[in-house]
Amino acid sequence: EDKVVQSPLSLVVHEGDTVTLNCSYEVTNFRSLLWYKQEKKAPTFLFMLTSSGIEKKSGRLSSILDKKELFSILNITATQTGDSAIYLCAVESSGNQFYFGTGTSLTVIP
Amino acid sequence: NAGVTQTPKFRVLKTGQSMTLLCAQDMNHEYMYWYRQDPGMGLRLIHYSVGEGTTAKGEVPDGYNVSRLKKQNFLLGLESAAPSQTSVYFCASSTPDRVNEQFFGPGTRLTVL
Repeated sequence: EDKVVQSPLSLVVHEGDTVTLNCSYEVTNFRSLLWYKQEKKAPTFLFMLTSSGIEKKSGRLSSILDKKELFSILNITATQTGDSAIYLCAVESSGNQFYFGTGTSLTVIP
Repeated sequence: NAGVTQTPKFRVLKTGQSMTLLCAQDMNHEYMYWYRQDPGMGLRLIHYSVGEGTTAKGEVPDGYNVSRLKKQNFLLGLESAAPSQTSVYFCASSTPDRVNEQFFGPGTRLTVL
């Protein structure tokens, strides 16, 4: 069974802290791994990773994919209150199938 | 551009009733998707479409039907609603060359009593 598991489920940090969000997966016919940010309603796209390595979105967000160990991490440095959201990890497999994790809820306290 | 819009925003149904959720996008995207999001389950793909007149099943298609008569619209139908279909439904769209960069609508919260 294809699955994507995220940890931790929730996280509370203070502004300026650095956080690491984890995503592991077991998906057949892997094509890409995606990170989305979900604030109040619609998820918005952050990253796509297809090969092992580092992809940066902005100066404070970065993500690593390890296709051998089947995991990805999302790092956020110097967190701000605007980073408070649910972060979703998803894996695309062949045939336009997408499998999402349950998300990590991040709260950044001023 | 409005992006991806969904109607209605909220709906309450009784068991056995039918309804249609409408998704519209003005970005000329070829691909469209319907997901449901439940607590502790994450987003799950119901059906998707790679172009006008085509649809395909996702991970959880049972109890739903879809139609893509026009490129900009993707309809999700529930013929006989069940309490297990209580959820938040999201529509998304993308281009064929960036299928993983999906643009999501604001969601429809459906409650089936």
